[in-house]
Amino acid sequence: SQQGEEDPQALSIQEGENATMNCSYKTSINNLQWYRQNSGRGLVHLILIRSNEREKHSGRLRVTLDTSKKSSSLLITASRAADTASYFCATDRQGGSEKLVFGKGTKLTVNP
Amino acid sequence: DSGVTQTPKHLITATGQRVTLRCSPRSGDLSVYWYQQSLDQGLQFLIQYYNGEERAKGNILERFSAQQFPDLHSELNLSSLELGDSALYFCASSVSSGYTYEQYFGPGTRLTVT
Repeated sequence: SQQGEEDPQALSIQEGENATMNCSYKTSINNLQWYRQNSGRGLVHLILIRSNEREKHSGRLRVTLDTSKKSSSLLITASRAADTASYFCATDRQGGSEKLVFGKGTKLTVNP
Repeated sequence: DSGVTQTPKHLITATGQRVTLRCSPRSGDLSVYWYQQSLDQGLQFLIQYYNGEERAKGNILERFSAQQFPDLHSELNLSSLELGDSALYFCASSVSSGYTYEQYFGPGTRLTVT
C-alpha cells in the first residue's frame, strides 16, 4: 500500500512560474526523499530531508517537512520546460527497514 | 547518470517463461534494492540485499527471487511469468545500511509479457 500521497496528481504551469507539490504520509519516518522521473525512465534522486530537519534547499528546489502534520512540500522555483516530469516522494518507516515507500506522484508539465 | 546499470533495457517474453534481470550498483555501494513500477500498483519495493545477504523483503511474489553476488552485482529472477508481471523493474543502490541513505536508481528494465 502507498505510504505517501502526493497532490496535486497533475500540475500544469508556464515556464518561469513556481511549482509546489505536496506529500502526505501516514507513519513516523526517518527520512523523506523526493525523486523525479521523466516519462518511462529511471528515477533521479533530488533531495533527502531527515525527520529532524524542517527545510532543505538544493539549487532551485526547496523542500519542507512538517512531521507533526506528516507532510512535506517540494517547491521548484523559476520552472523550466526541462522540469516536466513526474515527481515522487518516498519515505522510510521509523524503526523499519530502509525500503522506500513511494506515493503515486505528481505529473508536472511546464509549458514553454 | 546515476552510476547504477541494468540489463537488459527491454525484455519481451511469453507467459510461463523465466527471465533474469541484472543490476550493477554504483561503485562502493553495498546495498541493492529492487522495485517494480506498474500502472495500477505504482512503485513497489520488492527486496533488498546488503553485502550479499537479504536484508528486507517487500511484497515479492514467490515466483520471484533475487541474489547478490560477491562482486555486489544483483540478479532478479522472475519465473512462471504472467501478463500482470509486465512492468518496469528498477534496481537502486545505496552506500550502506542501518540508516537511510539516498538511493540511486538505474534506468530500469521494461518487461513485457505477452
